[in-house]
Amino acid sequence: EAGVAQSPRYKIIEKRQSVAFWCNPISGHATLYWYQQILGQGPKLLIQFQNNGVVDDSQLPKDRFSAERLKGVDSTLKIQPAKLEDSAVYLCASSSTGGYGYTFGSGTRLTVV
Amino acid sequence: QKEVEQDPGPLSVPEGAIVSLNCTYSNSAFQYFMWYRQYSRKGPELLMYTYSSGNKEDGRFTAQVDKSSKYISLFIRDSQPSDSATYLCAMRREGGSEKLVFGKGTKLTVNP
Repeated sequence: EAGVAQSPRYKIIEKRQSVAFWCNPISGHATLYWYQQILGQGPKLLIQFQNNGVVDDSQLPKDRFSAERLKGVDSTLKIQPAKLEDSAVYLCASSSTGGYGYTFGSGTRLTVV
Repeated sequence: QKEVEQDPGPLSVPEGAIVSLNCTYSNSAFQYFMWYRQYSRKGPELLMYTYSSGNKEDGRFTAQVDKSSKYISLFIRDSQPSDSATYLCAMRREGGSEKLVFGKGTKLTVNP
C-alpha cells in the first residue's frame, strides 16, 4: 500500500510570512494527525481529524496555525504569520480506527529565518 | 514532570552489542506502549507495540512494559550498523482520542 505522502519536503521562509503543508493519508484511514517535531524533541500533536471532524486541537496555536481536512481525505496545515520558533519538522500521520499505531509521512522540514 | 521521560543519549555501541533503551512515564492511564524508529530525515516508523504489561519479542527486538513501575524498555540483540537511528517511545490511553505522547527519543549509533 502507498504510504502517507507529504509535500513539500523542505521549505525556507522569512518570519511573518505564511506557509502551507499538504498531506495525503493512506487510503481508507479515517484518522489523520499533524505533529510538530522540533530538533532534539519527540513529536507533539498539533491536531487530530476523524474523517472531516476535529477530535483534538488543544495544542494547536490557533492564533497562527490552521488546518483543514476536506472530504475526509487530504489535509492542509497553514501557518500565518510564521515565527522563528516554528522551525521544525511537520509530520503527518494516519491510522485506521482502533489501530495500534500510526503510519507517518517523511515530513516537511520548515526553517523560518 | 513531563508525561514521558526518555534519556536522549547519544548512545554508541559496537556491532553485536545488546542495547537497552528505556522510558518512564507518569500517567497511569496509559495502556498502549510503542517504540518507533526514526532514521535521519525520515518519519518515525512503528517498530513494536505492547498492550498493558508484559513482554513482546520480534526477531532481535524485545519490548517490556512494567506498569507497576511505569517503566518500559526496548532491547536490541546482536545490534547492527543498520540499527543506527533515533528510537522514540510512545504511549496512549485506552479509548479517547488515540493521541500518542512521545518521549524525546534516544539517538543510537552502532559502530562496525
